Amino acid sequence: DADVTQTPRNRITKTGKRIMLECSQTKGHDRMYWYRQDPGLGLRLIYYSFDVKDINKGEISDGYSVSRQAQAKFSLSLESAIPNQTALYFCATSDLLVGELFFGEGSRLTVL
Amino acid sequence: GQQVMQIPQYQHVQEGEDFTTYCNSSTTLSNIQWYKQRPGGHPVFLIQLVKSGEVKKQKRLTFQFGEAKKNSSLHITATQTTDVGTYFCAGYEGGADGLTFGKGTHLIIQP
Repeated sequence: DADVTQTPRNRITKTGKRIMLECSQTKGHDRMYWYRQDPGLGLRLIYYSFDVKDINKGEISDGYSVSRQAQAKFSLSLESAIPNQTALYFCATSDLLVGELFFGEGSRLTVL
Repeated sequence: GQQVMQIPQYQHVQEGEDFTTYCNSSTTLSNIQWYKQRPGGHPVFLIQLVKSGEVKKQKRLTFQFGEAKKNSSLHITATQTTDVGTYFCAGYEGGADGLTFGKGTHLIIQP
């Protein structure tokens, strides 16, 4: 089983719908991250959390929200999805501020 | 804010040729990491460089960190089809925001 699991792996939705992407990890890491990947733009940080009571905005947080339900769970929500949020989303964990990132398999979201 | 530029965006090589990707930061970095993403996959950590002028090797891969800690490179000798993918650098400047990723270099290998 993967150490960092994302659900769903693929999702097609319509403009205006609420979407939640979930991430769970078995690595025991305190730090969790949500990244967005678009062709030609690399990986951009949406939100990150250093522990259950800590939530921080990243480079592109507008239109997104997160919840850290437990050390092992970090979910990303799109309250009202729009087409330019169509992208590949990755959850990642690390055990240090600048330690190796362990990525999930990714969640491909299409907003029509 | 910190910017990490990576070139080239795409590189086509014949199998057996060498490949290099370059990463440049607008600010001095505390350290830099490299990741590889296979087509359809997720980024996987390759290495972290911390010291000025550091050079590390992993089989056919050579990683360098510049003396000024503002640039880095990844060189692959004698590419193989298994090297296909996108290579990302990610720099850490300091503070709580963590890593800033470059846009990646797509390596395409023609047999």
